[in-house]
Amino acid sequence: GAGVSQSPSNKVTEKGKDVELRCDPISGHTALYWYRQSLGQGLEFLIYFQGNSAPDKSGLPSDRFSAERTGGSVSTLTIQRTQQEDSAVYLCASSPRTGDGTQYFGPGTRLTVL
Amino acid sequence: GNSVTQMEGPVTLSEEAFLTINCTYTATGYPSLFWYVQYPGEGLQLLLKATKADDKGSNKGFEATYRKETTSFHLEKGSVQVSDSAVYFCALSQGAQKLVFGQGTRLTINP
Repeated sequence: GAGVSQSPSNKVTEKGKDVELRCDPISGHTALYWYRQSLGQGLEFLIYFQGNSAPDKSGLPSDRFSAERTGGSVSTLTIQRTQQEDSAVYLCASSPRTGDGTQYFGPGTRLTVL
Repeated sequence: GNSVTQMEGPVTLSEEAFLTINCTYTATGYPSLFWYVQYPGEGLQLLLKATKADDKGSNKGFEATYRKETTSFHLEKGSVQVSDSAVYFCALSQGAQKLVFGQGTRLTINP
């Protein structure tokens, strides 16, 4: 079946602009995660959604970052007033409710802030 | 909090050499342990996993054993190939919570 999809695959923006990144999880997966992969910081957790529960936002680096998940499926990560240090690959993953913690990753969105 | 420490890279080996990439973790309770791999230009893929102590995960000739007494999950392969060149990440999770990753180890296999 279809895996996790993300769009766009690449995004170049100017400092100060807002960006939206989209994630379509695997059908039926209730958990959805956002991570960021950058050269200096490795793989960092950003936010986690599980069903209708309140999301775990503990990894968001600043209040410029927010995410929502509509209808328990598609998620959008929004970065407001982008800064150069936001340049990274943003990864989305999903997993089923009952499982061993295995997460299935999308191809990522490469964000470049000029 | 939970953490994962991986052997620092980069690692360069010749084809058919034996590979070990060390991984140790710090966690309360009994986490699940994973190795993910990122081939050049591709996304993260699950390589193998183990969910309880003494379990051995294996895939594509790679193996790792969940050692609770040493809090380790070292990755091994008996004979590496050029196609194994990639970045390898050790990770842990507890339940359906976030993955905590090690810093990654870049592996290059020369023919």
